[in-house]
Amino acid sequence: EAGVTQFPSHSVIEKGQTVTLRCDPISGHDNLYWYRRVMGKEIKFLLHFVKESKQDESGMPNNRFLAERTGGTYSTLKVQPAELEDSGVYFCASSQAATQYFGPGTRLLVL
Amino acid sequence: AQSVTQLDSQVPVFEEAPVELRCNYSSSVSVYLFWYVQYPNQGLQLLLKYLSGSTLVESINGFEAEFNKSQTSFHLRKPSVHISDTAEYFCAVSGSQGAQKLVFGQGTRLTINP
Repeated sequence: EAGVTQFPSHSVIEKGQTVTLRCDPISGHDNLYWYRRVMGKEIKFLLHFVKESKQDESGMPNNRFLAERTGGTYSTLKVQPAELEDSGVYFCASSQAATQYFGPGTRLLVL
Repeated sequence: AQSVTQLDSQVPVFEEAPVELRCNYSSSVSVYLFWYVQYPNQGLQLLLKYLSGSTLVESINGFEAEFNKSQTSFHLRKPSVHISDTAEYFCAVSGSQGAQKLVFGQGTRLTINP
């Protein structure tokens, strides 16, 4: 069974540009989560989808971040426009119940 | 709301020595507890979890953790570490009602010296 996959693995962009991260969850997992780890800080929750609906988006830092999960399968996280403080590793996880399985992460660097 | 504290940001130990990585949590509701591990240049992998039942849980590679409700702790232990255990370890908590977000500790970087 394939695990959670994320694309791209790395992204380097300039301040003000747009970046879109993609996450493909484990097949059959209704729950999809986004997390972020900024350099030197703890991993922080961004939002939680149940199928295509946003269950909890309390961790989204501001309106420059837009997450979608059309059709309840893969999800995208768009940052527009990117700022320097958005640099970090973005993790996606999926679950069918309580246990979450993580993808390898996307390392984003905003210059 | 929950919070997690990992008291040690870095733990250096010699190979074959025992190790304990400490994790304390706070929560106003009942919780599930997890340890995740991130090996160099890899993603987060589930190491072990406590959902219910026996308070002592084990991983396939010799780690164990014990849920202590009175002390609100979930410390991770291994009696004899190997070079391959070098990684960053994260303790996490979630509420126990359905699928909920994880709250992570700051992480503990375990370095094994030969």
